[in-house]
This record gives sequence, C-alpha cells and structure tokens, in this order.
Amino acid sequence: KQEVTQIPAALSVPEGENLVLNCSFTDSAIYNLQWFRQDPGKGLTSLLLIQSSQREQTSGRLNASLDKSSGRSTLYIAASQPGDSATYLCATRGAGSYQLTFGKGTKLSVIP
Amino acid sequence: DTAVSQTPKYLVTQMGNDKSIKCEQNLGHDTMYWYKQDSKKFLKIMFSYNNKELIINETVPNRFSPKSPDKAHLNLHINSLELGDSAVYFCASSEIWDSGNTIYFGEGSWLTVV
Repeated sequence: KQEVTQIPAALSVPEGENLVLNCSFTDSAIYNLQWFRQDPGKGLTSLLLIQSSQREQTSGRLNASLDKSSGRSTLYIAASQPGDSATYLCATRGAGSYQLTFGKGTKLSVIP
Repeated sequence: DTAVSQTPKYLVTQMGNDKSIKCEQNLGHDTMYWYKQDSKKFLKIMFSYNNKELIINETVPNRFSPKSPDKAHLNLHINSLELGDSAVYFCASSEIWDSGNTIYFGEGSWLTVV
C-alpha cells in the first residue's frame, strides 16, 4: 500500500528565499504525481502534475521534479512571496488506480 | 464559473441526524470522488464513481452512501451522524482515469457534529 511522506511538516522562510519542499513515496509504480496547494478554509488547487515518464514540470516560479526510482519528488519555489504561504500537498496516482494517495502536507509560511 | 462546486460549505448538526452534501462539476469529467480530510489534515479517498458507476469504496461505514444521479453529480448522504464524522469533505473530478489527467477539487464542506 502506497505511503506518501512530506518533510518538514512546517517551514518558515523570509520573503525572497528559494525553497524546496520534499515528498517521498514507498511504491514507485505510479502513473503520476501531483502537487497541490491548500489555503486555509479553501479547497485544493492543482499546481503541477508530473507523469511517470517525466522528470520535471515547471510553472512560473514553481518547478517540480520526480525521481521514481528513489521514490522522491521535490517542489522548488523561487523567490518566495508572502502570497505563497499555504499548505503544499503531494499526491501519487498508482498504476491502474483511480485514486490519489496524499501526504500530510508541508505548511509554508513566508515572512515579509 | 466554479468547476467543482459543493454545498453546503458549512454544516453543523447534532449526533444521530442524517445529512447530505451535494457536488456538481461542469467540466464534463467522467470520474468523481469524495475525499475526507480529518482533524490531522490527512486527506483520504472515500468513494469514486466513473460514469455513474461505483469504482472505489474504501473502508467507510455503511452510514455513508454516495449517489450519482448523472455524470455531473455525486452526492454524499450520511446517516446517523457521529462525532467522529466531523471533518472536511472534498468532492473532486477528473477525466477518465487515464494517467494524464489532473484532478480538480471543490472548496470543501466543513461538517461539525455536536
């Protein structure tokens, strides 16, 4: 059974810093991995989706990488802004599966 | 236009009551889901429907019954509510389960059982 772990659980950085959020998973037989953002009291917003055949995806200041063999993904945020403060969740979709398995998230605070 | 909308957003109810949460998606997707986020913020799937057919039913009490009247709707009915049912319930949808598709989530329904 897939397990997804995100470390650290919380992270606080000053504005302008580049940062990396980590995600690890136990079963490398995945179709894809998705990074989400969750704001307090809000739903989840999809940030980036990486197919199993891809190594990375980029969107604006965000870059997500995937290393299936080692069961790891990272989300890189460049030049962080206070508006980036949120909880970031990664989730894997298993081979032949309809469902996502989520990590518990990393709560990011960007201090002005 | 909201892609995945769910109502109500907030619901406070007493133990033992029966309540429903409705979900609609206007994305033309084939697959819809219900996820539960507990007090520890852990998101877990409850149900998934593909073209109105149940395809995932995780270990969820029988008191929870999903109903999909059509492809665009997946409602969640909960009987005999218990304190432990208090959580945020998220509806989501995606195109057919092909690997390439992003899952879109609604904004959540905050259920509090008192």
